[in-house]
Amino acid sequence: TQLLEQSPQFLSIQEGENLTVYCNSSSVFSSLQWYRQEPGEGPVLLVTVVTGGEVKKLKRLTFQFGDARKDSSLHITAAQPGDTGLYLCAGVGTYKYIFGTGTRLKVLA
Amino acid sequence: ETGVTQTPRHLVMGMTNKKSLKCEQHLGHNAMYWYKQSAKKPLELMFVYSLEERVENNSVPSRFSPECPNSSHLFLHLHTLQPEDSALYLCASSQGWRGSYNEQFFGPGTRLTVL
Repeated sequence: TQLLEQSPQFLSIQEGENLTVYCNSSSVFSSLQWYRQEPGEGPVLLVTVVTGGEVKKLKRLTFQFGDARKDSSLHITAAQPGDTGLYLCAGVGTYKYIFGTGTRLKVLA
Repeated sequence: ETGVTQTPRHLVMGMTNKKSLKCEQHLGHNAMYWYKQSAKKPLELMFVYSLEERVENNSVPSRFSPECPNSSHLFLHLHTLQPEDSALYLCASSQGWRGSYNEQFFGPGTRLTVL
C-alpha cells in the first residue's frame, strides 16, 4: 500500500515565523502536488513538482521535490494568518492519486 | 455557476435511507472524481470517470453507487449506509486523468452524517 506521511500533523505558530512541512513516502511518484484546504471548501492546488530535485517558489512558499521523487517539502517564510489551513501533498502515479495525511497549520496574529 | 459545485452541502440520513449526492463541473473537463475525507485519515479516492466511463474503483462498498450521465455531471447514490460512512465527500474534475501535471479542481464537498 502506498502511503504519504506528512509531518508535523499540527502546527501553531506566530505571524512572521518560518516553517517547513514534510511529505515522505517509500514509493516513487511521477510528480507530487501540494494543495491547501480551508474550512468549508475543497482543496486548491498550489503547485506541481515533476523533476527530482526541482524547487518551485510561489511568493513566500518554496516547494522542493526530493532527488529520488519519493518526498517533498513545503517551506513558508514569514507566515501570515492567511496561510492558515490544511496542507495536503498528493503523489501522482500513472493511474493513482495518493494523498498525504495532512498538516493543519494555524498562524496566530 | 463556475468551477465545481456540489449539492447538498450537508446531509443527515438514517441507515435505511436512500439519498444521492450531486456534482456538476462548469470547466469543460473530461474526468470527474469522488473522494472521501474522514477525520484522521488521508483523502481517499473512491471513483474516477473519464469521458463518462468508470476507470477507477478503489474497492468501495457496493452501498456507494456512482453514476456519470455526461461529462459535466456526477452522482453518488447512497443506500443502507453505516455510521462509519459519515465524512466529507468531495467531487473533483480535471482536463484528463493521466499525466504528471493533471490538476484537479475540487468542489466544496457534502458533509454527510449517518445516524
